[in-house]
Amino acid sequence: GQNIDQPTEMTATEGAIVQINCTYQTSGFNGLFWYQQHAGEAPTFLSYNVLDGLEEKGRFSSFLSRSKGYSYLLLKELQMKDSASYLCAVRDGGFQKLVFGTGTRLLVSP
Amino acid sequence: AAGVIQSPRHLIKEKRETATLKCYPIPRHDTVYWYQQGPGQDPQFLISFYEKMQSDKGSIPDRFSAQQFSDYHSELNMSSLELGDSALYFCASSLDGGYYEQYFGPGTRLTVL
Repeated sequence: GQNIDQPTEMTATEGAIVQINCTYQTSGFNGLFWYQQHAGEAPTFLSYNVLDGLEEKGRFSSFLSRSKGYSYLLLKELQMKDSASYLCAVRDGGFQKLVFGTGTRLLVSP
Repeated sequence: AAGVIQSPRHLIKEKRETATLKCYPIPRHDTVYWYQQGPGQDPQFLISFYEKMQSDKGSIPDRFSAQQFSDYHSELNMSSLELGDSALYFCASSLDGGYYEQYFGPGTRLTVL
């Protein structure tokens, strides 16, 4: 089966750093993706990891440990516009579909 | 840069009616995916196409069907609509059969009354 877990909600202050964790147990694995989604809008691609380690992309970094079934998304220098849901998704090894986690709603306060 | 286009953006239907959702992938993208997202839920994979052939099938009801045309656009046909079909329907596209990241369209919000 597919099981991808994330915290439901997190809060942080503008300018701070926040880490959103994702654990997964899936039948297939061919990469882990992070998407940002504002309410009622489309998910926007942030980053992905195929191999273990850290991928950095501006204010966003993502880490993967395949042996532990674990990833995190690190957001630095938080801005109010970062208030959104963050979706962790595993790319199924078979035909590349994405299996999404439950999503983490991040609230950034002044 | 060109993005995924979906039409219509909003659709209101009655129970038992039919609906057709359209998706135009990013140019040169050969793979299209359809996802359904209910209120407060994560996107659920429905079906995908690679080079105009169905490549994978998820939790898509038998009342739904889809296809990808020669110009790579895709259509999701939904019949005998039920109240529970009310959701956001996203189309995503990617390159090389899904090896690269998926880019999502703005979605079609379907409301079934």
